[in-house]
Amino acid sequence: DADVTQTPRNRITKTGKRIMLECSQTKGHDRMYWYRQDPGLGLRLIYYSFDVKDINKGEISDGYSVSRQAQAKFSLSLESAIPNQTALYFCATSGGGGAPSNQPQHFGDGTRLSIL
Amino acid sequence: DQQVKQNSPSLSVQEGRISILNCDYTNSMFDYFLWYKKYPAEGPTFLISISSIKDKNEDGRFTVFLNKSAKHLSLHIVPSQPGDSAVYFCAAKANSGGSNYKLTFGKGTLLTVNP
Repeated sequence: DADVTQTPRNRITKTGKRIMLECSQTKGHDRMYWYRQDPGLGLRLIYYSFDVKDINKGEISDGYSVSRQAQAKFSLSLESAIPNQTALYFCATSGGGGAPSNQPQHFGDGTRLSIL
Repeated sequence: DQQVKQNSPSLSVQEGRISILNCDYTNSMFDYFLWYKKYPAEGPTFLISISSIKDKNEDGRFTVFLNKSAKHLSLHIVPSQPGDSAVYFCAAKANSGGSNYKLTFGKGTLLTVNP
């Protein structure tokens, strides 16, 4: 079983629709992250959370919101999807609690989102 | 402003030979560096890392070298195998200044190992 599970794996939707991408993890990590990957641009951080009560914006948070429902669950929402949000979305987790940590991030297999 | 640069979009090598993937960075606050490997339809997988207090870290066929003065790191794969064919991402983080959470990724290099 995957340690970091993302659902759905693929989604096609229309402009203006509300979309939720879900992420759950069994690694027991406190830290969770959402990234998007666009062709030729690498991965960019959207939001991150260090624990259930902690939510922080990343470098490209506009148009997105998140919810940390439990230590193991972190969902990403697009309130009104637009075509330039078409991308591959990754959830990641890491240990380390609230202190500086060199523990690597572990990624899910991604959600391919297409907005028409 | 791209703080982590992988200037080679692709690299092709023969099986059994050495693969060298390069990465340059501009932020002098970066003090921890990672390499991730990504196969199609899968998420990135952590491969190897190095702290700025070291200049070399080795794990089996994979070795990462760090040259802090040049702000350059490289990943060596010896010997290369066809299963190593994937996109390799370089990533860096700064463990100070309140940004210890943030990984900054390069754009990736597609490695193809030919049998």
